[in-house]
Amino acid sequence: AQSVSQHNHHVILSEAASLELGCNYSYGGTVNLFWYVQYPGQHLQLLLKYFSGDPLVKGIKGFEAEFIKSKFSFNLRKPSVQWSDTAEYFCAVNAGYSGNTPLVFGKGTRLSVIA
Amino acid sequence: EAGVAQSPRYKIIEKRQSVAFWCNPISGHATLYWYQQILGQGPKLLIQFQNNGVVDDSQLPKDRFSAERLKGVDSTLKIQPAKLEDSAVYLCASSYDETQYFGPGTRLLVL
Repeated sequence: AQSVSQHNHHVILSEAASLELGCNYSYGGTVNLFWYVQYPGQHLQLLLKYFSGDPLVKGIKGFEAEFIKSKFSFNLRKPSVQWSDTAEYFCAVNAGYSGNTPLVFGKGTRLSVIA
Repeated sequence: EAGVAQSPRYKIIEKRQSVAFWCNPISGHATLYWYQQILGQGPKLLIQFQNNGVVDDSQLPKDRFSAERLKGVDSTLKIQPAKLEDSAVYLCASSYDETQYFGPGTRLLVL
């Protein structure tokens, strides 16, 4: 069975600091990888996704993530965070072999950006 | 493009009562999912539909939860009777490929 681990429960950063949120997954086959963000009072939105190809993927709002197959990791990064990045971030994975399969989510990391 | 619609947004009921949630997916999305998100956790799949057929309901507590998507478009999730531990946000998502788009969710509180 697939599982996703997000290492940090709550991260607090000052504006302009760099961000890296860890995500490791457990699955023996081909996977698709996702980062979703949930801003306060809003629904889950897709930040970025990796299906295949270049392991460094760029998403919206200056976020990027790197897929490292040997480490089963898909860490999220942003060089300089803003107050508006305060949100909950979820890493998710689904089976990449065929069709539409359910997502397995991590527990989420709450990011608080302070001035 | 309109997103995934869900209603109601909030619901408060007493234990042993029944409740129903509605979801209208993005137009043209054949696959529809219901997830349960308990406070402090990531969403967990309850059921997946492909058009009007169930693909995966292995994690649906079938003694109290039911779901249908009769015409292959909108869907209803029901809980009867509700338990305290059903307090959660119920999320609906839809997709036409590997990427899922989520609705705003229904926040259920069972007292």
